[in-house]
Amino acid sequence: GAGVSQSPSNKVTEKGKDVELRCDPISGHTALYWYRQSLGQGLEFLIYFQGNSAPDKSGLPSDRFSAERTGGSVSTLTIQRTQQEDSAVYLCASSLFMGQTRDTEAFFGQGTRLTVV
Amino acid sequence: AQSVTQPDIHITVSEGASLELRCNYSYGATPYLFWYVQSPGQGLQLLLKYFSGDTLVQGIKGFEAEFKRSQSSFNLRKPSVHWSDAAEYFCAVGVPWNSGNTPLVFGKGTRLSVIA
Repeated sequence: GAGVSQSPSNKVTEKGKDVELRCDPISGHTALYWYRQSLGQGLEFLIYFQGNSAPDKSGLPSDRFSAERTGGSVSTLTIQRTQQEDSAVYLCASSLFMGQTRDTEAFFGQGTRLTVV
Repeated sequence: AQSVTQPDIHITVSEGASLELRCNYSYGATPYLFWYVQSPGQGLQLLLKYFSGDTLVQGIKGFEAEFKRSQSSFNLRKPSVHWSDAAEYFCAVGVPWNSGNTPLVFGKGTRLSVIA
């Protein structure tokens, strides 16, 4: 597709369950980001993939959070044993490798709204 | 690592009035700077970006921003605000590829309300 696609758009899960959130970046974009947006908290960086480099996981809030990116394209963010504080909008973005072109920018998906009940 | 601060959590302006949203960054060299807007229920949309060159950058929807190295700032401005500008605005900072693989870092956002 033309833009970043995220699925599902909404997810309601019970506390303690595992969830998987999917992101399809723009074709050809080598960089992929996951952010979490909680009410009044802005965008919290979670994890960053760039090409074949080791991902930057410095933003993951706990070991219940993990992400992978298969074949340099689709990414899945997994939250294990979900807690109520995990409720937020999870945003994915992709970009060309920052610095290789003056026109690069991060393009965002519409997000997945996760509600843990 | 780079960081960005948006000092104003919420700003209210009258329709037709001018607007300035503040953004301060922390980075040892010249970063890449961005302003994004998020309208209610919408995704993030890029308003404008600065990489190098002219420090006054023009964006969409009549917005502009000025990079001031001496003040480590990248404030967003609009001469006349429209009611449709009510949204959340995010400043973000990135670094060139040869400074390492680092993520795009966002401020906490400024919520803009527009009154008649």
